[in-house]
Amino acid sequence: DIVMTQSPDSLTVSLGERATINCKSSQSVLYNSNNKNYLAWYQQKPGQPPKLLISWASTRESGVPDRFSGSGSGTDFTLTISSLQAEDVAVYYCQQYYDEAFAFGPGTSVEVK
Amino acid sequence: QVQLVQSGGGVVQPGRSLRLSCAASGFTFSNYGMYWVRRAPGKGLECVAVIWYDGSKEYYSDSVKGRFTISRDNSKNTLYLEMNSLRVEDTAVYYCARGGPEGSYRRFDYWGQGTLVSVSS
Repeated sequence: DIVMTQSPDSLTVSLGERATINCKSSQSVLYNSNNKNYLAWYQQKPGQPPKLLISWASTRESGVPDRFSGSGSGTDFTLTISSLQAEDVAVYYCQQYYDEAFAFGPGTSVEVK
Repeated sequence: QVQLVQSGGGVVQPGRSLRLSCAASGFTFSNYGMYWVRRAPGKGLECVAVIWYDGSKEYYSDSVKGRFTISRDNSKNTLYLEMNSLRVEDTAVYYCARGGPEGSYRRFDYWGQGTLVSVSS
């Protein structure tokens, strides 16, 4: 099974500043036949279910603010919040959907300084 | 609109059993893979069980294999998780989630509201 790791474990950023979260998979999640990375990002706030932000490593879901962006390919990925807002305080998870384990990373907690 | 409404859960003693349900609406349930994901206190998300759209294939995490059974009734648009031999470490909020159509591997785009399972003596 593919194992996902994230860094940092937690992040404290001032309002309006950039937040960057890294995600690494133990093997490539790039499917060669369609050249797509099977990698998603989720946001989870306290008391709520996770919310899908980004799929295919870089495709923002409908309604997700454009300050959220995803990048990377193969085994290394990044979620960037370009200008942190108060409502972005949450835990962020990456997930691979390349194999049937559908493993999540351990999460990165984002807080406001 | 797509809705996943969960029921079941509660407080149970170690070694006992519990069943969770997830009622789906707003989409053709029988066309989609479905999943159970949990978040234990102070921990991250863990996908514990997977079932294909037609029930033909299942997958379990090592932590629950042999104790939990995922199933679905496509005539009732409902997903289930039968949890046996429960352990203290199974304490978590459990979510059902929708995946991709037919046999495709896709991100989890809709989630249930979550239900707390607390295993304690």
